[in-house]
Amino acid sequence: GAGVSQSPSNKVTEKGKDVELRCDPISGHTALYWYRQSLGQGLEFLIYFQGNSAPDKSGLPSDRFSAERTGGSVSTLTIQRTQQEDSAVYLCASSFRSGGGDTQYFGPGTRLTVL
Amino acid sequence: AQRVTQPEKLLSVFKGAPVELKCNYSYSGSPELFWYVQYSRQRLQLLLRHISRESIKGFTADLNKGETSFHLKKPFAQEEDSAMYYCALRGRGSTLGRLYFGRGTQLTVWP
Repeated sequence: GAGVSQSPSNKVTEKGKDVELRCDPISGHTALYWYRQSLGQGLEFLIYFQGNSAPDKSGLPSDRFSAERTGGSVSTLTIQRTQQEDSAVYLCASSFRSGGGDTQYFGPGTRLTVL
Repeated sequence: AQRVTQPEKLLSVFKGAPVELKCNYSYSGSPELFWYVQYSRQRLQLLLRHISRESIKGFTADLNKGETSFHLKKPFAQEEDSAMYYCALRGRGSTLGRLYFGRGTQLTVWP
């Protein structure tokens, strides 16, 4: 079946502009995660959605970052007033359920470049 | 605080040689440990998890709670093993689900 998909695959924007990154999880997966992969920094957790529960936003680096998940499926990560330090690959993952026994399946990522 | 440390940023071995990618963790509780792999131009994927106690593509990893380590090992490396490897930890409790990743080790296997 189809895996996690993300769009766009690449995004180049100017400093100060807003960007939206989209994630389509695997159908039926209730948990959805956003991570950021920066050069030399590994993967950094951003936000986590589980079903209808309030999202875990503890990883968002600033209030310029926000995310929503509509209808328990598609998610959008929004970065307002982008800065050069926001340049990274943004990865989305989904799993059937959170907790023991599940596997997180990752999308191909969106490479964001802020000029 | 949770932390995953991969001390080697780069690791090179020749084909057929043994390879060990190191991973140490810090976590107050009972964690789950994982190894993820990212081959060139492919997406990140799960390689193995400690609770499964399985061998995938010849790789094994044993959780050593005394040394808080979860090193990844393979007795005979192959060229196709060249990739970026990430060790990850997941805790139990309120942050259930999210993964804490190390910074990764880039493995190169020379012919």
